[in-house]
Amino acid sequence: GPKVLQIPSHQIIDMGQMVTLNCDPVSNHLYFYWYKQILGQQMEFLVNFYNGKVMEKSKLFKDQFSVERPDGSYFTLKIQPTALEDSAVYFCASSLLGRGGQYFGPGTRLTVL
Amino acid sequence: GQQVQQSPSSLVLQEGENAELQCNFSSTATQLQWFYQSPGGSLVSLLSNPSGTKHTGRLTSTTVTKERRSSLHISSSQTTDSGTYLCASGTGGYKVVFGSGTRLLVSP
Repeated sequence: GPKVLQIPSHQIIDMGQMVTLNCDPVSNHLYFYWYKQILGQQMEFLVNFYNGKVMEKSKLFKDQFSVERPDGSYFTLKIQPTALEDSAVYFCASSLLGRGGQYFGPGTRLTVL
Repeated sequence: GQQVQQSPSSLVLQEGENAELQCNFSSTATQLQWFYQSPGGSLVSLLSNPSGTKHTGRLTSTTVTKERRSSLHISSSQTTDSGTYLCASGTGGYKVVFGSGTRLLVSP
C-alpha cells in the first residue's frame, strides 16, 4: 500500500542545536501531520499542514517548532533550539483528504542530550 | 476535546485464541482508525472504520457511531500479533486523538 517515509530513523543531538526531521509523504496526498510520542507514553498530535499553511496545532507545538514543505519536496519539522524534553519519536502522517484516513511513517527517534 | 479510552490495557493469550479489543470515545467520531505498533515502535495502519463493520484478514472492526465505541477482533492469534494496538478517533477536525493502547502478548 501507500508508504510514508521518514529520514533519518534516528537522530542524536546536543541540547540547543537545531534539528530537521524529514518526511516523504504519499505522493498524491495533500494534508500532512506530525505527531509526537515520548517513550512509553501516548501518541499526541502536534500540527497539521495544508496548502502551505498550518491548519491546526496543539499546545505541544512550541514556538521553537516550525514546519514547511518547500516546492512539494519533503515535509519537514524543524526544532530550533532543541530542549531535553524534545526527546521522543516523531511520526509523520499524510492523508488525501483533511478528514480521511491518515497514513503514518515509521517515525524518527530523536534523542537530545 | 475528544478523549479515547481503550480496554483492556493489556491482554495475554495463547496462540490460536481470539482477542477482542475495545475503544470508547467521548464525542461522535467521523474518523476511526486502528493501528498496530510493534515492540520496536513502528506504526502500521490496520483499518479505517468510522462506522459499520470491516474485515481484513484475521481482523474485524465494528464501530457503532451513535454509541461512540469501536471494537477490534483478532481471530486465531499468532505470536507475531504481539505488540500494542492503538485506536485513534477524529471528530471532523484535522487531527486524530490516540488512546493509550492495548498491549497484546501472544505466547506459543
